[in-house]
Amino acid sequence: KAGVTQTPRYLIKTRGQQVTLSCSPISGHRSVSWYQQTPGQGLQFLFEYFSETQRNKGNFPGRFSGRQFSNSRSEMNVSTLELGDSALYLCASSLEGGRSYGYTFGSGTRLTVV
Amino acid sequence: ILNVEQSPQSLHVQEGDSTNFTCSFPSSNFYALHWYRWETAKSPKALFVMTLNGDEKKKGRISATLNTKEGYSYLYIKGSQPEDSATYLCAFGSQGNLIFGKGTKLSVKP
Repeated sequence: KAGVTQTPRYLIKTRGQQVTLSCSPISGHRSVSWYQQTPGQGLQFLFEYFSETQRNKGNFPGRFSGRQFSNSRSEMNVSTLELGDSALYLCASSLEGGRSYGYTFGSGTRLTVV
Repeated sequence: ILNVEQSPQSLHVQEGDSTNFTCSFPSSNFYALHWYRWETAKSPKALFVMTLNGDEKKKGRISATLNTKEGYSYLYIKGSQPEDSATYLCAFGSQGNLIFGKGTKLSVKP
């Protein structure tokens, strides 16, 4: 069974640019969540999508957006990149919101903004 | 603002030692408490999801307990092995939204 796939693994962007990250969940999982990890911080929740609808949103500025497609694949977009957006971005999928079996995480996309 | 605290921040033990970590979370509106293990250069892996007060879960040498009334969970590792070296994360869960602690980094020396 394929795991959660995130692309690209590494990305270098310039301040002011925008970036799109992709996440393919485990087949059959309809919930996809996105998290940001910066040095010294725990994983911070960005948003969660379930069946193409954003169900929950964390405390991030509107520059961070996402969407989910009918095949449950999800994309996250960050516009007008700032140096502080440099982080590891993880996505996680689950069948039912993670209450029974938890979440399966991808390997992440490491974004560096210069 | 909901906060999840983990202690200690790091731990160095010898192979064969038993150890435990603490996770403190809000005791109101409890939904679920997750434990994850995160090895360097890998992705976090789910260890346990606990939903009921008094829950005890076990997987091999690792076990966890849950007290939702006082808002804490313990993770125990019996007879630590070098391959147990990792960061252990707990997360307070509402549906689709996990609030993570900063983790306990465990190093096990052979």
